[in-house]
Amino acid sequence: GAVVSQHPSWVICKSGTSVKIECRSLDFQATTMFWYRQFPKQSLMLMATSNEGSKATYEQGVEKDKFLINHASLTLSTLTVTSAHPEDSSFYICSAAPGLDTSYEQYFGPGTRLTVT
Amino acid sequence: SQKIEQNSEALNIQEGKTATLTCNYTNYSPAYLQWYRQDPGRGPVFLLLIRENEKEKRKERLKVTFDTTLKQSLFHITASQPADSATYLCALDTGNTGKLIFGQGTTLQVKP
Repeated sequence: GAVVSQHPSWVICKSGTSVKIECRSLDFQATTMFWYRQFPKQSLMLMATSNEGSKATYEQGVEKDKFLINHASLTLSTLTVTSAHPEDSSFYICSAAPGLDTSYEQYFGPGTRLTVT
Repeated sequence: SQKIEQNSEALNIQEGKTATLTCNYTNYSPAYLQWYRQDPGRGPVFLLLIRENEKEKRKERLKVTFDTTLKQSLFHITASQPADSATYLCALDTGNTGKLIFGQGTTLQVKP
């Protein structure tokens, strides 16, 4: 089946530093990947849509200069949290779809737990 | 405003019974609805997708219904097992773009 991986699975960083999270589709190509954030005991909230070969589109309220997204290839998208602060501590999850049809199931990565101290 | 609600935060049932989870939405006209399972500290795992022109869909012990008039989906797990214990999320694609809006989830606990 379709597999999406994320790296790292968890990271601890100091306030003010930047952290890069990778999302890879292992056995399919994904023109579009999505980045979500999940705070404790809350549901997933979409942050941005990552498009291969073009700029990401961000949801309302998400700072594009803080959360840099690069969709370098059809199998890799990266999310960089710049100048991280404790309030950015969260569970970051990416997803991808194996088809071009917009009506499709998505496959999620295992998530990256970010803790900013 | 647009809203997706799952009927309860937690549901406890006895092993072997049928678990029924509810997802209601307002101010959407989704082309399809999805159900996911999420275990603690893990990403969601896709379970079922049902389109607006489908009334019911089944996969092994899972069954999903979709009533676009009531704006409701029901998710059933028959012959439930302790291994089914997890949080179940419903999700809508509001604009047929793949961008999903999630409900808050229902945590199911199946007791042996």
